Amino acid sequence: QITLKESGPTLVRPEQTLTLTCTFSGFSISTAGVGVGWVRQAPGQALEWLALIYWDDDKRYSPSLKNRANITKDTSKNQVVLTLTNMDPVDTGTYYCAHRDEWKYVLDSWGPGILVTVSS
Amino acid sequence: DIVLTQSPDSLAVSLGERATINCKSSQTVLKSSNSKNYLAWFQQKPGQPPRLLFYWASTRELGVPERFSGSGSGTDFTLTISRVQAEDVAIYHCQQYYTTPNTFGQGTRLEIK
Repeated sequence: QITLKESGPTLVRPEQTLTLTCTFSGFSISTAGVGVGWVRQAPGQALEWLALIYWDDDKRYSPSLKNRANITKDTSKNQVVLTLTNMDPVDTGTYYCAHRDEWKYVLDSWGPGILVTVSS
Repeated sequence: DIVLTQSPDSLAVSLGERATINCKSSQTVLKSSNSKNYLAWFQQKPGQPPRLLFYWASTRELGVPERFSGSGSGTDFTLTISRVQAEDVAIYHCQQYYTTPNTFGQGTRLEIK
């Protein structure tokens, strides 16, 4: 059974850097085709795809983040970390990490999400 | 970026009736090399993460009731619930994974009339 869980600060000041950790079990991010992605959702808004890291360390980002994001993986710890610099109140929302299946190519298992508020 | 536009934004359906949600892509998500449509549907209930319903546009995820069906190809896709149940109240999202960023539609809210 695949499980994921997001952790990190729930309150961030403007201009600070957000660091979120996705800790997962039930799969290995070393398996060919597997990935872990991040998606966020501002209150009452649509889902927004942010970033994805693949088993081979290929990394993809949303251009909307304007080079503020960095995604890394720690295979030994079963973790993926997303950092987002220069946080702004518009970055407030629930952040989800999810497993990218190697056969379906889609995000098929999701963590419960973590609500991050950006406020001074 | 590929833009996905869902219609309607919201709909209210009586119990047992059919619900139809559309998703239109600004460009094709059909890959000619494997004839697969890189389009997924998710269901999201309040306070919960999205749940995968369909991938490859019409392949039902394990555990999804058969009253749900996905169809379409190229740029036009449809999610149909044949007989709506109370537990189907949710927001439904389409997503393309043809190219990054893997964009989502704006979501469609389904309510019971």
